[in-house]
Amino acid sequence: KQEVTQIPAALSVPEGENLVLNCSFTDSAIYNLQWFRQDPGKGLTSLLLIQSSQREQTSGRLNASLDKSSGRSTLYIAASQPGDSATYLCAVRPNDYKLSFGAGTTVTVRA
Amino acid sequence: NAGVTQTPKFRVLKTGQSMTLLCAQDMNHEYMYWYRQDPGMGLRLIHYSVGEGTTAKGEVPDGYNVSRLKKQNFLLGLESAAPSQTSVYFCASMTGNEQFFGPGTRLTVL
Repeated sequence: KQEVTQIPAALSVPEGENLVLNCSFTDSAIYNLQWFRQDPGKGLTSLLLIQSSQREQTSGRLNASLDKSSGRSTLYIAASQPGDSATYLCAVRPNDYKLSFGAGTTVTVRA
Repeated sequence: NAGVTQTPKFRVLKTGQSMTLLCAQDMNHEYMYWYRQDPGMGLRLIHYSVGEGTTAKGEVPDGYNVSRLKKQNFLLGLESAAPSQTSVYFCASMTGNEQFFGPGTRLTVL
């Protein structure tokens, strides 16, 4: 069974600092990996999707890397802003139609 | 284009009552999913569907039933609610690659 771990569970940084969020998974046989953002009381919003053949994906201030062999993905958020405060979840999709989610990292960006 | 919608947004049930949660998507996606989210446990898959008329069990299916009579709708039923089913329920649909989520239903079972 695929296990997905996100450490730390919570993170607090001052505005302007770069954020580094980690995701690790136990089975490297994945189809893709997806990063989501969740605001309190809201649903999940997809941020980035990395296919298994890719090493990284970028969207604006966000960059996600994938190292399948070591079972790791990292989400970088440059120059953090208070509006980046949210919970960030990673989800791994093996070679079927189901995703396995990490428990998330809750980020607070202090103004 | 509304994406994925869920009805209702909130509900309070008494133990033993039944209810149905409705999920609808207008993106013509084949795959649809029901998850529950509990504090500190991430999202856990309850049931999913790979197409109209199909359903399959996920990680935590006990106490729930589902139906996918139309491609755009995926219903989640609780036949006899229990306090352990107090949770936030999310529906999602998927293209070949990316999952899209609804806003969630907060269910409390007393």
